[in-house]
Amino acid sequence: DIVMTQTPLSLPITPGQPASISCKSSQSLLRSDGKTYLYWYLQKPGQPPQLLIYEVSSRFSGVPDRFSGSGSGTDFTLKISRVEAEDVGVYYCLQSIQFPPTFGGGTKVEIK
Amino acid sequence: QVQLQQWGAGLLKPSETLSLTCAVYGGSFSAYYWSWIRQSPGKGLEWIGEINHSGSTNYNPSLKSRVTISVDTSKNQFSLKLSSVTAADTAVYYCARRRYMDVWGKGTTVTVSS
Repeated sequence: DIVMTQTPLSLPITPGQPASISCKSSQSLLRSDGKTYLYWYLQKPGQPPQLLIYEVSSRFSGVPDRFSGSGSGTDFTLKISRVEAEDVGVYYCLQSIQFPPTFGGGTKVEIK
Repeated sequence: QVQLQQWGAGLLKPSETLSLTCAVYGGSFSAYYWSWIRQSPGKGLEWIGEINHSGSTNYNPSLKSRVTISVDTSKNQFSLKLSSVTAADTAVYYCARRRYMDVWGKGTTVTVSS
C-alpha cells in the first residue's frame, strides 16, 4: 500500500494567520493520464470528512478560496491563507492512484 | 444535491456479521462508484471497498476475505457486509460517493463487544 505521511501532527494557529500542512507519499501519485491523484479533507468534530481539494489543487464546490493545494509527485501542501475559527478540525490527505486508496494520519488544527 | 443516508445494527457480538445499507437521494446513481470507509481510533481512516451500479466491486485486500458489497439499483442503495467481526472492527462506518469520496454519509457507529 502507498503510505501517506502528514506533518505536523498538531498545528495551533492564531486566527488570521496562515497555516500549512505537508503530505508526502511513498510513491508518485502522477498517473500516465497526466492527473495527480491527491486529495485533501477536513473533518470537523462530530462530522464526516468533507472534501476540500481534489487532484492536488482544485477546490471542491463551496470551498472558500483561502484554501489552496500545491505539489507534485510525492510532496504536497495544503495552505490556509488566513485561518478562521470554523477551520478547526483534523485535516487528511488521500491518494487514490493505487488500490487501496490510503489516507494520511491527520493533522489537528486548533485555535491558540 | 445528492444525499447519502445510512443505517444498520450498531452493536454486534464477536463472530457476527456487520450489515449496513446506504441510500442515495438526488443525482445520478449509475454514474459513480460508491464506497465504504471506516474510522477507528487505532487505525484512522480505512477504505473498505467500492461498487458501481452494475455490481463491479473493488475491495481492500486487508479485508477482502470478509467483505461483501452489493447494490440494489431499483432502490438506489448499496450495502456492506463484514463477516466474523472482532473488537478490531469497532469503528464509525461511512458510505460515500466515488473512490475519492466527494460526498459522505453521516456515519454509523458499530461496536463489537461480547
